[in-house]
Order: sequence, then structure tokens, then C-alpha cells
Amino acid sequence: DVKVTQSSRYLVKRTGEKVFLECVQDMDHENMFWYRQDPGLGLRLIYFSYDVKMKEKGDIPEGYSVSREKKERFSLILESASTNQTSMYLCASSLSLAPMTQYFGPGTRLTVT
Amino acid sequence: QKEVEQDPGPLSVPEGAIVSLNCTYSNSAFQYFMWYRQYSRKGPELLMYTYSSGNKEDGRFTAQVDKSSKYISLFIRDSQPSDSATYLCAMSAGSGNTGKLIFGQGTTLQVKP
Repeated sequence: DVKVTQSSRYLVKRTGEKVFLECVQDMDHENMFWYRQDPGLGLRLIYFSYDVKMKEKGDIPEGYSVSREKKERFSLILESASTNQTSMYLCASSLSLAPMTQYFGPGTRLTVT
Repeated sequence: QKEVEQDPGPLSVPEGAIVSLNCTYSNSAFQYFMWYRQYSRKGPELLMYTYSSGNKEDGRFTAQVDKSSKYISLFIRDSQPSDSATYLCAMSAGSGNTGKLIFGQGTTLQVKP
């Protein structure tokens, strides 16, 4: 069974803090994704990576950066957290041979105060 | 205009009803169509995956794609309370192997016993 884990289920941070969200998958997937999910807006892609040290911007990359030093781990970084980054953050992974089948983690509910 | 439109609901039906969930889209390059199911406080999980036009059936679930109308549907027969969840449609043009998906906003379904 594919497992995607995220470092925290709930996180509360202050405005201006640097925030790290970690995602680990155990199925040797090449592709990894970070989304945010907001009511009425659905899932929006922040960044994705199709290989170690490779990254591509998604639809809403502003205010975020990512790091993929190892194949199984994909980190999302909020350089200076702001209140409009309060959201549910979802990580996903997929095989390059089956890219449309994405496996999601349970999500991290981030609140920035 | 969003690339993918989905009525957020909520949709409430009695147990045993036939449920129809729908999405429209504007990008004629989309070839891959997915339905994800998301239970409360969980990440989405892939339910159905269809390539190009036509129907696909899996147990009580049928996915239908009409590319000429840019319209996709998910039908649930004999709906059960355990089907209560948010259903997200997702689409991709399929270029490359990175699996970048565009999601609808999600429709929240409640099946009442």
C-alpha cells in the first residue's frame, strides 16, 4: 500500500515565521506535488517535482519554495508566513509511468496568526 | 473563467438514490479525467480514471466523459451513507509524464440513512 506521510496534522505559526512542511512517500515515486486546499477554490498546485533536485512552479508559487534532496522527501517552505497562507496543505506523489494516479497524504492544517 | 467548474453543493440524498456529480471544463486539450473522493479530515483518493471519451464502470460507480460538450459525470448507484464525502473531478492534458492535474472545487455529498 502506498503511503504518503506529512510531518504534522495541525500547525500554528506566527506571521513572519519561516515554516517547513515535510512530506515523505515510501513507494519510490518520481513525481511529488504540493497543493493547498481552500473552500470554494478546490486544490491548487503550488509546486511539483519530477526528480531529485528538480522542481517546477505550479499555479500559485508566490510566497513558497520547495526542496527535494532525496527521492522520497519533498519539503514545502514558507519563507515568511502570512495570514493568507492559512490553509490545508496536501502532498501527493505519483509514478512517472502512471502520472495521473496521485496518492495523497492526510494534509497539514496550517494556521498563521 | 476557471478551467474546471464543479458545483460545490452540498448535495443531500436519501440512501439508495442515484447520485449524479458533474464537471464542465474549457480546455479542449484535456484527455485524462479523474474522480477523487475525499473523506472529512483525509487526503483525496483516486476513485475513477478515464482516458478520452466514453464510459467506465466500477461496481456502483460509473464515470462518463463527453468531450464534445466538455462535460464529465460520475454516477453513484444505490448510494450508501459511506459514500458521504467530497468528490473532486480532476483533468490533465497529459503532456510529459509529470501528471499535473487541474482540479474542480469539489462537490460535498451527504447520503442520509
